[in-house]
Amino acid sequence: EAGVAQSPRYKIIEKRQSVAFWCNPISGHATLYWYQQILGQGPKLLIQFQNNGVVDDSQLPKDRFSAERLKGVDSTLKIQPAKLEDSAVYLCASSSGVWYEKLFFGSGTQLSVL
Amino acid sequence: EDKVVQSPLSLVVHEGDTVTLNCSYEVTNFRSLLWYKQEKKAPTFLFMLTSSGIEKKSGRLSSILDKKELSSILNITATQTGDSAIYLCAVDAQGGSEKLVFGKGTKLTVNP
Repeated sequence: EAGVAQSPRYKIIEKRQSVAFWCNPISGHATLYWYQQILGQGPKLLIQFQNNGVVDDSQLPKDRFSAERLKGVDSTLKIQPAKLEDSAVYLCASSSGVWYEKLFFGSGTQLSVL
Repeated sequence: EDKVVQSPLSLVVHEGDTVTLNCSYEVTNFRSLLWYKQEKKAPTFLFMLTSSGIEKKSGRLSSILDKKELSSILNITATQTGDSAIYLCAVDAQGGSEKLVFGKGTKLTVNP
């Protein structure tokens, strides 16, 4: 089966600019996650969708980050305006089951904010 | 606050060595502990340990959950250069909202 697709692979922007990331989960996976992984840290959950509804966005900096999952399939994560500390890898993941052993990650987008 | 701590943060070994990676946790409503291997960017699933399944083994890799000590170890025997990666430990901390809390990872380098 096809994996979780993300684009772009890399993005370099200047602070205060905006940026958007795209994710296409594995077909049939109802749950979609966006994680932020800063260099030297483990992934941190930003937002979790169940179909097109938000389950958990408690760690999403809502003053600058937004995410949507239209029609319960693809998702986009946006940062506006970006700060230096947003430099990180943004990982999208999807799952079909209740247990995390059914969780699959995409290859991520590496964002550098200069 | 939920916390997952891994040690060591980095480790350099020679091919053929055996390594043990550690993970300890302090979380509410523990449901499961997972190990992932991260090469480049995408973490890939290795094991899931629960109260009903505290030992897992796959080839040269094995993992044990110690519910009393709130910790887990990941063992890799006869290491190969292909084992070089970051190994992440994560805990399912709140069963209801399915929230994974990750440790910082252990960077393993296996030299030929």
